[in-house]
Amino acid sequence: AQKITQTQPGMFVQEKEAVTLDCTYDTSDPSYGLFWYKQPSSGEMIFLIYQGSYDQQNATEGRYSLNFQKARKSANLVISASQLGDSAMYFCAMREKQTGANNLFFGTGTRLTVIP
Amino acid sequence: GAGVSQSPSNKVTEKGKDVELRCDPISGHTALYWYRQSLGQGLEFLIYFQGNSAPDKSGLPSDRFSAERTGGSVSTLTIQRTQQEDSAVYLCASSPGTSGGRGDTQYFGPGTRLTVL
Repeated sequence: AQKITQTQPGMFVQEKEAVTLDCTYDTSDPSYGLFWYKQPSSGEMIFLIYQGSYDQQNATEGRYSLNFQKARKSANLVISASQLGDSAMYFCAMREKQTGANNLFFGTGTRLTVIP
Repeated sequence: GAGVSQSPSNKVTEKGKDVELRCDPISGHTALYWYRQSLGQGLEFLIYFQGNSAPDKSGLPSDRFSAERTGGSVSTLTIQRTQQEDSAVYLCASSPGTSGGRGDTQYFGPGTRLTVL
């Protein structure tokens, strides 16, 4: 089974509107971390936001927030007040802490296009 | 401070040749990772180094792939006898440690685009 599932290959949003990018995950590890990265056309992966499995509050970083629903195993990224520079690929990733593996498992990504 | 750097940014090689890809992690980061990004396979983990410990090679796709990390800093990923399916973007990342929390976020370099003709 896929550890990270992103079901939206592409999304469009009007400039200045908010958009939600979906991410669901699958793990039996009680301790894990969830990450979102942005990959513009230049190719570099840019870290956006982190949510730990034991964090009581949803993470926020500026215009980015994470809608963490642990029971549903979802970690959706919300981008508020979209800007043209937000157009990029967005990847959800997970790291399991207790298994001893230190690598990230990535989803297939969502391509976001911001329309002026 | 300086981020993760990788060289070359682009590499075109002929099938059967060996290639070396270099990664210079963020200063002070003890953990270093290699990933591969291709159209068909998405983002795949290849290998991970933490300090002086033996590397985690569980993601290497074949014995044609190897990597080393000298002096706990710079890493080189070597692909021997390259095949066309090795064509991909090879991404390097580093993190301060490996506790798994927010403080050990992996920061990525710009990648090396490898094309095998």
